[in-house]
Amino acid sequence: DTEVTQTPKHLVMGMTNKKSLKCEQHMGHRAMYWYKQKAKKPPELMFVYSYEKLSINESVPSRFSPECPNSSLLNLHLHALQPEDSALYLCASSQSLAGAFYEQYFGPGTRLTVT
Amino acid sequence: GEDVEQSLFLSVREGDSSVINCTYTDSSSTYLYWYKQEPGAGLQLLTYIFSNMDMKQDQRLTVLLNKKDKHLSLRIADTQTGDSAIYFCAESLDTDKLIFGTGTRLQVFP
Repeated sequence: DTEVTQTPKHLVMGMTNKKSLKCEQHMGHRAMYWYKQKAKKPPELMFVYSYEKLSINESVPSRFSPECPNSSLLNLHLHALQPEDSALYLCASSQSLAGAFYEQYFGPGTRLTVT
Repeated sequence: GEDVEQSLFLSVREGDSSVINCTYTDSSSTYLYWYKQEPGAGLQLLTYIFSNMDMKQDQRLTVLLNKKDKHLSLRIADTQTGDSAIYFCAESLDTDKLIFGTGTRLQVFP
């Protein structure tokens, strides 16, 4: 199983809502990532979890709150978002071996629209 | 710096070869990658090259790396309509962080 699943596929939320994005992998990977991708732009790294601990936070606003409850699951909690946060949110996972080759496996993404 | 640049658009006829180019600025990159993204989908790793290699061939894909000029290219032989997508090059240093290029949209016409 080389699949990363993400739910929901699409999400529309108001600026006062609280919602969560979910990502799951069963490949035994110990690194998991959240990326944000705006239209016609490359993915931008938001967070990295390594062995269930937050290892990289790319100065993301606190209205985005990541959580890694176990080695297979990664959540992104959303609260008080702005319309400019509308984007495709991609999750990825990999074997975390810094300095060595590792493939990041990407999920299909959640298309988020903030109204 | 961590800027990775690509040309925005490439259009080729089916059956021809496509060459997608990428320039990067960080000479300490350890691995360089090519990812493919189809509309509305996540990214798929196509191939990668270690920084001490010059060339890698994988079926229809050929990667060339010129470290002196910090230039990476992806050649797709016998391009098919199913190859139409956005192609991102990416580099990694000794961290868990990938730096993606700006992306090249490849359009294949019959």
